[in-house]
Amino acid sequence: KQEVTQIPAALSVPEGENLVLNCSFTDSAIYNLQWFRQDPGKGLTSLLLIQSSQREQTSGRLNASLDKSSGRSTLYIAASQPGDSATYLCAAGDMTTDSWGKFQFGAGTQVVVTP
Amino acid sequence: DADVTQTPRNRITKTGKRIMLECSQTKGHDRMYWYRQDPGLGLRLIYYSFDVKDINKGEISDGYSVSRQAQAKFSLSLESAIPNQTALYFCATSDFPRREASTGELFFGEGSRLTVL
Repeated sequence: KQEVTQIPAALSVPEGENLVLNCSFTDSAIYNLQWFRQDPGKGLTSLLLIQSSQREQTSGRLNASLDKSSGRSTLYIAASQPGDSATYLCAAGDMTTDSWGKFQFGAGTQVVVTP
Repeated sequence: DADVTQTPRNRITKTGKRIMLECSQTKGHDRMYWYRQDPGLGLRLIYYSFDVKDINKGEISDGYSVSRQAQAKFSLSLESAIPNQTALYFCATSDFPRREASTGELFFGEGSRLTVL
């Protein structure tokens, strides 16, 4: 069964520092890897989607990489701002026989950016 | 208008009551999902549907049922609500992977907060 892990569970950085968020998955048979942002009590906002054939995606200050062979994805947020404070979740689109078409989520990393 | 709409957004009910959460989408996606989110536990899959005639249980389906009334509508029911079903519920859709051009991106509704007293 696919398992997705996000470490650390929480992270606090001063404004201006770069953020590095990690996502690990146990089975490389994924269709895609998606990063989301969630503000407290709110819905999930899609940040970046990486297809299994891609190595990275970029949007503004955000860059996400994917290494299927090592089962890892990393989300980089450059020059963090207090408005980046939120919980960040990753989700792997599963292509294994038993879980085809399902998405497995990590528990998230809660980020606080201090002014 | 939102691509994935959930109603109600907030609901407080009592133990034993029947509750229905509704989800409608304008994305034209075949795949629809219901997730539950609890603090510290992440998102857990309750039910998912790959088309109107294909409905599948997720990892925590006990105490829940679903109905796929049309491609665009997927409802979640709690037949007899209990306090430990208090949670934030999310509906999501995806075109995973229906055709070569599909990205499989997952789109979420805004969530339905359910409190069972």
